[in-house]
Amino acid sequence: DTEVTQTPKHLVMGMTNKKSLKCEQHMGHRAMYWYKQKAKKPPELMFVYSYEKLSINESVPSRFSPECPNSSLLNLHLHALQPEDSALYLCASSQGTGVYSPLHFGNGTRLTVT
Amino acid sequence: QKEVEQNSGPLSVPEGAIASLNCTYSDRGSQSFFWYRQYSGKSPELIMFIYSNGDKEDGRFTAQLNKASQYVSLLIRDSQPSDSATYLCAVKVGGNTPLVFGKGTRLSVIA
Repeated sequence: DTEVTQTPKHLVMGMTNKKSLKCEQHMGHRAMYWYKQKAKKPPELMFVYSYEKLSINESVPSRFSPECPNSSLLNLHLHALQPEDSALYLCASSQGTGVYSPLHFGNGTRLTVT
Repeated sequence: QKEVEQNSGPLSVPEGAIASLNCTYSDRGSQSFFWYRQYSGKSPELIMFIYSNGDKEDGRFTAQLNKASQYVSLLIRDSQPSDSATYLCAVKVGGNTPLVFGKGTRLSVIA
């Protein structure tokens, strides 16, 4: 069982909807990540939070808005998405952002935009 | 541009054989190396990491790192059908830099 919990597991939303993805970890990790993964492709980094501050934003469109309320929680707010945004959204955490901190992934949220 | 290369496969091996998965990387300054297993429709699962040249063993898995040749490999001994998955190689160049993933190698273990 993964120690990074993501909800919901599946989400179907229309292009005018607003929804949020949630991620929680209780490993005491100080870095949290959002990745997007399309079929048969590797995960693609979207955002990195380190000590609750946004440290990396990989030029993600503004219709994706991350939020880190505290060191254990990470949200991804979604608004006015496009069908091409349909993908598996992965949350991950690591002890820090240093070289020797492996990432641990949650089970993901399968998002379908109609 | 930092690159991590893997053969996409599929790599087919018979049950009980050794599966050998290879990965090369372009940045000579890379410092840490990770192997993730990903079953179809599931999330990546960390199975091995290695930081120093040489071999690192964990159960049926052995990671091998050769920094001079810029490659890292994963050996799976006594392969089982349950090992059938995509294996992602990931490399980190330095602190506060993103993990760079290869495109993954699909392994199929035939019973």
